[in-house]
Order: sequence, then structure tokens, then C-alpha cells
Amino acid sequence: GQQLNQSPQSMFIQEGEDVSMNCTSSSIFNTWLWYKQDPGEGPVLLIALYKAGELTSNGRLTAQFGITRKDSFLNISASIPSDVGIYFCAGQRNAGGTSYGKLTFGQGTILTVHP
Amino acid sequence: EAGVTQFPSHSVIEKGQTVTLRCDPISGHDNLYWYRRVMGKEIKFLLHFVKESKQDESGMPNNRFLAERTGGTYSTLKVQPAELEDSGVYFCASSPLNLRGAVRADTQYFGPGTRLTVL
Repeated sequence: GQQLNQSPQSMFIQEGEDVSMNCTSSSIFNTWLWYKQDPGEGPVLLIALYKAGELTSNGRLTAQFGITRKDSFLNISASIPSDVGIYFCAGQRNAGGTSYGKLTFGQGTILTVHP
Repeated sequence: EAGVTQFPSHSVIEKGQTVTLRCDPISGHDNLYWYRRVMGKEIKFLLHFVKESKQDESGMPNNRFLAERTGGTYSTLKVQPAELEDSGVYFCASSPLNLRGAVRADTQYFGPGTRLTVL
């Protein structure tokens, strides 16, 4: 089946540092999404990207949809302790119509921020 | 507005037993998805309902898994008989229909998950 390769698997950083993580795929997706999962919770959508080359920001988060549509990266600037969690990339193919299809997820990046 | 809820939050069963997981989507959401995350790996798609109909069940591992969504509201996922490799966190997600046909990703709202441990 399709796989998204997400790296790094884990990161240990100091508060205030910038963070970068990325995802690559062997196949094309119409949409790339980045989710964050806090302990005991389900994934929450952070950023959605719809066009190749698109660069989108959400506060301290910036994500880009790769030109080839096979990759994406997420940057977090000036990290704070509450950024701790698991970050997942996900790809989606939009078939149009009234219903969208499944999300294909990467393996996740575990982020630890030391105060 | 209540989010996606799942029950139970944890379940520990022995190999060979049966377990039924329940998901209550956000009211009015016709799309309902089941996903599973085995420890340390990616979250994997299991199946997708649109109202009460199975739109895509390509991710169901085998016939020991049975999902239902009678009446198009809540959904259940039954594992019978459970095997050791079924252990993991089972997530449910819901989203509304895209009535305008816009080509945008739907926001799938995830529940907190059910952690299933098969001993």
C-alpha cells in the first residue's frame, strides 16, 4: 500500500528553538495535511495544503506543499513547552463529489521541548 | 457542540475474546471513518461510512473485523475473535458532506481513541 515516510521519528529540543519535519511519498496526493496529537487525545488538524508549491502559515507553524506533490514539510518557530506531542503528516486524494476519501498518515514525529 | 466520542477509552481482553468499540460522530456528520494505530507506527485507515453505507472498506484487515453504522448515526467496530496483533489505538473520525462539491480537503474530526490490548 501507499506509504508516507516521515522524518525525523523524534526530536528533543530546547524551548525557543525552531523545528522542522518532513514527509515524502512515492505517489501524488491532491492535499497534504499536518496533524498534532496530544496525549490521550485524537489528532487535531493544524494546517491543510491544497496546491503544489503552496506555503501556508498558522501562527508559529509554517507548512509547504512540495512542487512534485509528493512531499511536504512543517516548521515550528520559537518552540514552547506546549508544542510537545506527536505530529503527523497525512495525504488525501479528493475524488470530488460530496465525500472525500481516507487519509494516509506518516509514522509521526515525537516532539519533546525542554524548558 | 460535542466532539467525536468513543467508548470505551481502554479495553483489555484475552486472545479469542470479542470486543465491540463504539463511535459517536459529531451530530450531522455523514462521513465516519475508522483508523487504527499500532504502537509506534502510522495511523492506518480501516473504513469509511457515508451515512449508513460503507463507502470504502479497503483497510479492514480481515473478516474478524465487522463495522456497522445502522441508521447512519453511531458506529460500532467488532473484533471477533481478537488476536494479539489487533492491539493498538482505534480512532474514529467524522466530517460533514461536501454539499457544494468544492475540491477542498474535509476536516476530519478525531475522537480520543480506544486503546485495545489483547493478551
